[in-house]
Amino acid sequence: EAGVAQSPRYKIIEKRQSVAFWCNPISGHATLYWYQQILGQGPKLLIQFQNNGVVDDSQLPKDRFSAERLKGVDSTLKIQPAKLEDSAVYLCASSLDFSGTDTQYFGPGTRLTVL
Amino acid sequence: AQTVTQSQPEMSVQEAETVTLSCTYDTSENNYYLFWYKQPPSRQMILVIRQEAYKQQNATENRFSVNFQKAAKSFSLKISDSQLGDTAMYFCAFMKPSHLDMRFGAGTRLTVKP
Repeated sequence: EAGVAQSPRYKIIEKRQSVAFWCNPISGHATLYWYQQILGQGPKLLIQFQNNGVVDDSQLPKDRFSAERLKGVDSTLKIQPAKLEDSAVYLCASSLDFSGTDTQYFGPGTRLTVL
Repeated sequence: AQTVTQSQPEMSVQEAETVTLSCTYDTSENNYYLFWYKQPPSRQMILVIRQEAYKQQNATENRFSVNFQKAAKSFSLKISDSQLGDTAMYFCAFMKPSHLDMRFGAGTRLTVKP
């Protein structure tokens, strides 16, 4: 079974530029999550989707971050404009269903450096 | 708000020995899930073990076991017969079933020495 795919793996941009990350979840997984992991910290949930609908985006900085999951499969996370404090690893995860009993499978992450 | 605390930023253990990683959490909920995730260097995070709060029996997965103390809000991970491949960051996480916002601790960096 193929895992969660993310691209790019690394991205370096200057502040005020825009950047987009892509995630392809495990086939058949209804729920998709985006996490932000700042160096030295645990991941923090930014947004979660159930199919193509947003379940929770309460921790997403909506003035600069946006995310979509068209057709309930792939998802993109965008930052516009980026700030220095956005430097982090952005993790995508997926689970089969919207249930606490379902394991979340994580992708390799995209490491973003904002200069 | 739920918080998860891992008080040991770094730990080390000799190969084949046993190590215990600590985790405490704060919640007013009665039903919830607790997890330990492993994040090897430059590799993706994987689930090690999961515990449902309503289950009194401690979860085990091969060499990994937990000591779940609900009243004390403690959830430690024991790794027996440590192997070099166990070297990784270990994150403790908490989740309410009604709201799938998984809260992670800051992590413990475990190094297994040959």
